[in-house]
Amino acid sequence: GGIITQTPKFLIGQEGQKLTLKCQQNFNHDTMYWYRQDSGKGLRLIYYSITENDLQKGDLSEGYDASREKKSSFSLTVTSAQKNEMAVFLCASSMAKQDTQYFGPGTRLLVL
Amino acid sequence: GDSVTQTEGLVTLTEGLPVMLNCTYQTIYSNPFLFWYVQHLNESPRLLLKSFTDNKRTEHQGFHATLHKSSSSFHLQKSSAQLSDSALYYCALSGNQGKLIFGQGTKLSIKP
Repeated sequence: GGIITQTPKFLIGQEGQKLTLKCQQNFNHDTMYWYRQDSGKGLRLIYYSITENDLQKGDLSEGYDASREKKSSFSLTVTSAQKNEMAVFLCASSMAKQDTQYFGPGTRLLVL
Repeated sequence: GDSVTQTEGLVTLTEGLPVMLNCTYQTIYSNPFLFWYVQHLNESPRLLLKSFTDNKRTEHQGFHATLHKSSSSFHLQKSSAQLSDSALYYCALSGNQGKLIFGQGTKLSIKP
């Protein structure tokens, strides 16, 4: 078994602020993902990475940067937080494409 | 591009009645993987079941689904709903791009 941890659990930011979310997994999975979950809009892919130092844009990459520093970690940066933004950011990992994705507990973002 | 359609945003049922959540997909890939993920309140999504074999029933935790490539469908069913089945259900597709395409999600609400 394994676990995915996301930090912080809650993030409150100011409009225009640069915010960084972190994700760690000990599954030894190759592929990692960042999703955004908004109420009523499902799960939208922001970035994914199929191996260390690889980055692939998802459907919602504008306004975000990502970094796969090593196999076990994947960071997401909100480049300029939008006022009144409220969402949950979910990190996931899988051994390979078409494999089951395992999700972390999420980071809840609120921008004042 | 690939897409997944879940026609119902909200399904409300009385306990004991059968459950059917619809999922259809579009892809040019001839061997897609289809998944159902379940997300209970204040939890992260987790895999419920998956399939890549045409016309073969897949079962887990009382739920079942059959991938029908002829109709591009992967509907989720259960013979008798329980209160604990109340959750958000996502259908997802994996083609050949290394990422999952999620449907909008169906909220299942079971009443006593």
